[in-house]
Amino acid sequence: GAVVSQHPSWVICKSGTSVKIECRSLDFQATTMFWYRQFPKQSLMLMATSNEGSKATYEQGVEKDKFLINHASLTLSTLTVTSAHPEDSSFYICSARDPGQATNQPQHFGDGTRLSIL
Amino acid sequence: DAKTTQPPSMDCAEGRAANLPCNHSTISGNEYVYWYRQIHSQGPQYIIHGLKNNETNEMASLIITEDRKSSTLILPHATLRDTAVYYCIVTLSTGFQKLVFGTGTRLLVSP
Repeated sequence: GAVVSQHPSWVICKSGTSVKIECRSLDFQATTMFWYRQFPKQSLMLMATSNEGSKATYEQGVEKDKFLINHASLTLSTLTVTSAHPEDSSFYICSARDPGQATNQPQHFGDGTRLSIL
Repeated sequence: DAKTTQPPSMDCAEGRAANLPCNHSTISGNEYVYWYRQIHSQGPQYIIHGLKNNETNEMASLIITEDRKSSTLILPHATLRDTAVYYCIVTLSTGFQKLVFGTGTRLLVSP
């Protein structure tokens, strides 16, 4: 089945630095990927829709200059948390759906990236 | 997308069937019901989906009522590894298929 891979699985960095998270579709090409954020004991919140070759679409309340998304190829989307601060510490998860399959086929999720900002 | 309502938590004994309900009374005719689960500190895992007919796969069965206003996910023989948060999501199958996660049901399977 469709496999989505995220890297890194966890990262710890100092406040003020930028962190890049990668999301790859391993056995299919994804024109659209999604980025979610999950705080402890809360549900997943959609941050943005990543579109290959065009600008990402951000959900209301998500700062596009803070969370930079690049979807330069059909198998890779990246999320960069710029000038990260402790409040950005969270679990970041990406998902994608194989467009080659029937339209009702599900999205598949990466294993997530746990980001801790000190 | 239609909203869903799930009980916040459920318990199940190992080896017994786990029946997880979901209400989606405002579902529209072209929206599917998807079930995902999230084991602690992992990304969500797809379980099953359906439109109006009951569905079964190697993981679970999905029972959708005739009026499509509710559904039940059935894990026929729950194991300790089925302990997770289960999410019922209703969404269009076409387009970007944006998934809106509710709070889900935390299923605890005990020995």
